[in-house]
Amino acid sequence: KAGVTQTPRYLIKTRGQQVTLSCSPISGHRSVSWYQQTPGQGLQFLFEYFSETQRNKGNFPGRFSGRQFSNSRSEMNVSTLELGDSALYLCASSLDFTYNEQFFGPGTRLTVL
Amino acid sequence: DAKTTQPPSMDCAEGRAANLPCNHSTISGNEYVYWYRQIHSQGPQYIIHGLKNNETNEMASLIITEDRKSSTLILPHATLRDTAVYYCIVRVERGTSYDKVIFGPGTSLSVIP
Repeated sequence: KAGVTQTPRYLIKTRGQQVTLSCSPISGHRSVSWYQQTPGQGLQFLFEYFSETQRNKGNFPGRFSGRQFSNSRSEMNVSTLELGDSALYLCASSLDFTYNEQFFGPGTRLTVL
Repeated sequence: DAKTTQPPSMDCAEGRAANLPCNHSTISGNEYVYWYRQIHSQGPQYIIHGLKNNETNEMASLIITEDRKSSTLILPHATLRDTAVYYCIVRVERGTSYDKVIFGPGTSLSVIP
């Protein structure tokens, strides 16, 4: 069974631009969570989607948004990029939102110049 | 802020047991202890979790003190492939709407031949 895939793997943007990252969960998984990982702040929870609905949201500004499609694929969007948004963005999937075992993808490395 | 403290780094000889400690003195009654690990350049991997009883699975054992203020993750026979950053986190059980997981800096475990 294929794992969680994230595209693109690497991305370079400039301040003020917006970016969309994509995550395809493991087949059959309906819950997708997004995390931001930086050297200074560590791994922080962004939001979680299940059945196309956002179930939970971390403490990030409104510039960070996401959505989930009917096939469980998810996208996250960051508008008006800031230098501090440079990070590894990780997506994790699980069968549903109650399952403890989440499977993480390799991440998208975003660099904001 | 992360609610756990872990040593920043540890070494372990290959084939020996690796015992990774974690302090979570402010853990609430409805919070579980979870362990994940992250091998360089990969997404985190779920290892194990528990509430108050000791737990064991094919990867590791989790020992939680009676007062629940600390725990130890045990890798019974460490191999070179266990070299990774290990994260101990406390969180309410998956599925709760206020589950906003925060990862601390973790422990960098080096398994030495």
